[in-house]
Amino acid sequence: DVKVTQSSRYLVKRTGEKVFLECVQDMDHENMFWYRQDPGLGLRLIYFSYDVKMKEKGDIPEGYSVSREKKERFSLILESASTNQTSMYLCASSPRLAGYNEQFFGPGTRLTVL
Amino acid sequence: KNQVEQSPQSLIILEGKNCTLQCNYTVSPFSNLRWYKQDTGRGPVSLTIMTFSENTKSNGRYTATLDADTKQSSLHITASQLSDSASYICVVSVGNYGGSQGNLIFGKGTKLSVKP
Repeated sequence: DVKVTQSSRYLVKRTGEKVFLECVQDMDHENMFWYRQDPGLGLRLIYFSYDVKMKEKGDIPEGYSVSREKKERFSLILESASTNQTSMYLCASSPRLAGYNEQFFGPGTRLTVL
Repeated sequence: KNQVEQSPQSLIILEGKNCTLQCNYTVSPFSNLRWYKQDTGRGPVSLTIMTFSENTKSNGRYTATLDADTKQSSLHITASQLSDSASYICVVSVGNYGGSQGNLIFGKGTKLSVKP
């Protein structure tokens, strides 16, 4: 069964802290993604990676960085958390196949920055 | 500009009733359209996917339609159940990037509440 897991369901951090969000998939997928989801704005793509050590900026990369050292793991890093980064963060993965491009999502991490 | 618009924003129906959610898109070139269901506090789960040549696809009580000429899709839920309460997100894939995936356009979703 397809599975994407995220390290935390809920996280509370203080302004200025460095925050790591971890995502692991067990499907041997090449592509992995990080989104944030805010009320009224829907899902917005932060970064994605189509291979180990490769990364591409999405629509809203400012204030974030990512790391993909292993195929199954994709990390999102907030170098200095700010209150406007309070959000639901969703990780997803997909195989590198032409056509359907289905993405499988993790359960999400609700991050609160105080 | 590539956009996906969903309506209504929210909907309340009684258990057992049917409902239809709408998705209009201006995406080019079009590859496929997918409906996701997202339970509160969870990640989205794919319900159906349709390519250009498909105009209807069912998944149990969920039936999606696609009119590629008018660039409209609908998701019809039959005999609603309390467990159908969720957000439903329409997602359109742009072109065919052979796997490179920074090309999905998400709608903002319709929040459905099914009341007993």
